[in-house]
Amino acid sequence: EAGVTQFPSHSVIEKGQTVTLRCDPISGHDNLYWYRRVMGKEIKFLLHFVKESKQDESGMPNNRFLAERTGGTYSTLKVQPAELEDSGVYFCASSPDWGTNTGELFFGEGSRLTVL
Amino acid sequence: AQSVAQPEDQVNVAEGNPLTVKCTYSVSGNPYLFWYVQYPNRGLQFLLKYITGDNLVKGSYGFEAEFNKSQTSFHLKKPSALVSDSALYFCAVRALAHQAGTALIFGKGTTLSVSS
Repeated sequence: EAGVTQFPSHSVIEKGQTVTLRCDPISGHDNLYWYRRVMGKEIKFLLHFVKESKQDESGMPNNRFLAERTGGTYSTLKVQPAELEDSGVYFCASSPDWGTNTGELFFGEGSRLTVL
Repeated sequence: AQSVAQPEDQVNVAEGNPLTVKCTYSVSGNPYLFWYVQYPNRGLQFLLKYITGDNLVKGSYGFEAEFNKSQTSFHLKKPSALVSDSALYFCAVRALAHQAGTALIFGKGTTLSVSS
């Protein structure tokens, strides 16, 4: 079974440009999460999808960030326009339904974003 | 608000010695507690979890963790460290009372360095 995959693994852009990160969760996992880790800091929650619906987007830092999950499969996270403080590693994770979910999240390898 | 504290940025141990990586938490109600590990250039991998029951839980790669409700701690331990255990370790918490699929709250991580 394929794990959570993220693309790109590393993106270097200039301030003001746009970047789109993609996450493909494990097949059949309804829950999809985006997290971000800035160097040396904690991994911070950004948002949570259940299928195609945003269950919780309280962690999204501002309106420069837009997440979508059309059709309830893969998800994209767009940053437009990017700022220096957006640099970090963006992790995607997925988990199955609550009935079989004891809390473990399955993480991708992350997308490292560097804004110059 | 829920939070997780990992008081040590780095833990250094010699191979063969026991190791402890500390974690304390703050949450309303009974917690789900987790440890994840991140090896270089990899995503986070689940190590172990505490949901209920025995306070000592065993996980992958010989790791174990002890839940202490009175001290609100969930320290990660291993009786004999290996050089290959060197990695970044994250403690995480989720409150049982939350609805299905609620995101995990992570600490800032502790780098474990095992010397030969």
